[in-house]
Amino acid sequence: TQLLEQSPQFLSIQEGENLTVYCNSSSVFSSLQWYRQEPGEGPVLLVTVVTGGEVKKLKRLTFQFGDARKDSSLHITAAQPGDTGLYLCAGAGSNTGKLIFGQGTTLQVKP
Amino acid sequence: DAGVIQSPRHEVTEMGQEVTLRCKPISGHDYLFWYRQTMMRGLELLIYFNNNVPIDDSGMPEDRFSAKMPNASFSTLKIQPSEPRDSAVYFCASSLDPGQGSTDTQYFGPGTRLTVL
Repeated sequence: TQLLEQSPQFLSIQEGENLTVYCNSSSVFSSLQWYRQEPGEGPVLLVTVVTGGEVKKLKRLTFQFGDARKDSSLHITAAQPGDTGLYLCAGAGSNTGKLIFGQGTTLQVKP
Repeated sequence: DAGVIQSPRHEVTEMGQEVTLRCKPISGHDYLFWYRQTMMRGLELLIYFNNNVPIDDSGMPEDRFSAKMPNASFSTLKIQPSEPRDSAVYFCASSLDPGQGSTDTQYFGPGTRLTVL
């Protein structure tokens, strides 16, 4: 059974701080996605990483896919209150259409 | 384009009642997924369809849960009889066929918040 473990589960920081969220598995994924979910809404895709070692940047967010395609990280620089939400990583198998979701990291950024 | 549409947005019912949740996927999407989200268990995949055919229902908790997809633009998730432990937010999501070069991006609806008293 493929599992994705996210850490930490909860994170409360002050505006301006940096943070990193980790997503780890013992399984290899063909791609890995990061979603953000705000209260009362469904998750929304932030980024997809496909190649081992790939790094993608989205403004203050930096996403990295591990060389072995088993893990990923999300780094936020100078967090803002608007970054508050639930961050979910999700791994894709080979053409199954199905995603394996991590348990999520709840981020609170205080002004 | 309209995204994934779910109804109702909120449902409050009493234990033992039948509950039907509805979903309209994005037009042209081949896959439809039903998830349940709770604080304790996170986002759990219940069942998913490919071209209206159920592919994997191993996440359906028990026989009280059933899902149908009579056509490409409509799906239902039914709970009968409902129990308080079924209280959760239920999401529907749709995606294109990953075999066609997409990267399995799933587009989620706004969810149905179910409360069973």
